[in-house]
Amino acid sequence: EADIYQTPRYLVIGTGKKITLECSQTMGHDKMYWYQQDPGMELHLIHYSYGVNSTEKGDLSSESTVSRIRTEHFPLTLESARPSHTSQYLCASSAPGQGNTGELFFGEGSRLTVL
Amino acid sequence: AQKITQTQPGMFVQEKEAVTLDCTYDTSDPSYGLFWYKQPSSGEMIFLIYQGSYDQQNATEGRYSLNFQKARKSANLVISASQLGDSAMYFCAMSPGVKAAGNKLTFGGGTRVLVKP
Repeated sequence: EADIYQTPRYLVIGTGKKITLECSQTMGHDKMYWYQQDPGMELHLIHYSYGVNSTEKGDLSSESTVSRIRTEHFPLTLESARPSHTSQYLCASSAPGQGNTGELFFGEGSRLTVL
Repeated sequence: AQKITQTQPGMFVQEKEAVTLDCTYDTSDPSYGLFWYKQPSSGEMIFLIYQGSYDQQNATEGRYSLNFQKARKSANLVISASQLGDSAMYFCAMSPGVKAAGNKLTFGGGTRVLVKP
């Protein structure tokens, strides 16, 4: 069982509020990712990190920002939430090294609703 | 750029029967990995099976097998002896490079499977 945790699981918030979605993993993985998923749709990579102080934007443009100050922690922040940000946000990590398949371990997701 | 196509938006399958979920991919990379994930209604993503582009044999994991046809660029998932708990969304994904060489996964649109008792 993967040890990657996301909080909150569900968040309903008003327009203009600042929100931070937390993601932590206890597996010591260097690589971490944030995916955005609308209900019943595919996942889109919005941010990734290959280690501390390393962050990159993903394939889908996002107004959110991320930070990676500690290996185990990869929070996502929206400075001013809007209804268009309503979605599920999935955090993932992966193990280093050629011995692994490269599978991603996912958290349970954070479902954000902006009113 | 990599692209994954899943043409079946939804499927019904009878309990205890086998079901095949289609996945085709497009990439110019000679080296890539193919994955299948299951997403129940609770929302988490569960890794099912992996196939590397250089693997000669089709991958199998319990009731899951991956029918890899490299020339046709397809990586279909076969679930044998379906169970009610198999009802979920299933996503095909690929990564640049094999194994841990490239972890940024590109996902398809998913197929919803509903197992009937």
